[in-house]
Amino acid sequence: DIQMTQSPSSVSASVGDRVTITCRASQGISSFLVWYQQKSGKAPKLLIYDASTLHSGVPSRFSGSGYGTDFTLTINSLQPEDFATYYCQQANSFPLTFGQGTRLEI
Amino acid sequence: QLQLQESGPGLVKPSETLSLICTVSGGSISTTDHYWGWIRQPPGKGLEWIGSISFDGSTIYSPSLKSRITISVDSSKNQFSLKLSSMTAADTAVYYCADWNTSSGWFDPWGQGTLVTVSS
Repeated sequence: DIQMTQSPSSVSASVGDRVTITCRASQGISSFLVWYQQKSGKAPKLLIYDASTLHSGVPSRFSGSGYGTDFTLTINSLQPEDFATYYCQQANSFPLTFGQGTRLEI
Repeated sequence: QLQLQESGPGLVKPSETLSLICTVSGGSISTTDHYWGWIRQPPGKGLEWIGSISFDGSTIYSPSLKSRITISVDSSKNQFSLKLSSMTAADTAVYYCADWNTSSGWFDPWGQGTLVTVSS
């Protein structure tokens, strides 16, 4: 199985800040990397796929980059609604696997 | 737009089989090349992919759960289902169904999720 490791596990930030979350795969996954946002008590929402393609309707302050084993999610100018938990998921091979999550706190 | 809704028991006894249904609205479950998936999340923990099924019933299961799961599709009802046998406390989780894009591997949209607790 491909193991996905996110860092940090949690991060504190303020409205207007820029935040970067890292996701590392235990083996190369090309650009088959997905990012989700999950708010408390809600289902995850798709943010980015193919490592850097913004899903329809997602604000442009979100961006993703990376290839192979190292990926990043960057949120520019944090907004109050961005405080949530973020997960990466590899889609290169089965079983599909997720990172453990990064909690973004105020 | 596509919407998914999970339904099933909120409480299951140890050793019993969990049966969940995902009802799809706003589109046909039988659309060619369309795939669907089940994902779960234990309370306070991360996400785990359970398995996926294609529009024509082909399945892909997580190896860690393969011996206990069955995913099937009922086109007449626009539903797909999950059966998970020999339930234990470790299977307590919120279970989500979702639309699965096989080209890029993402899940979207997701159902709201249903909490299943395993307890006697």
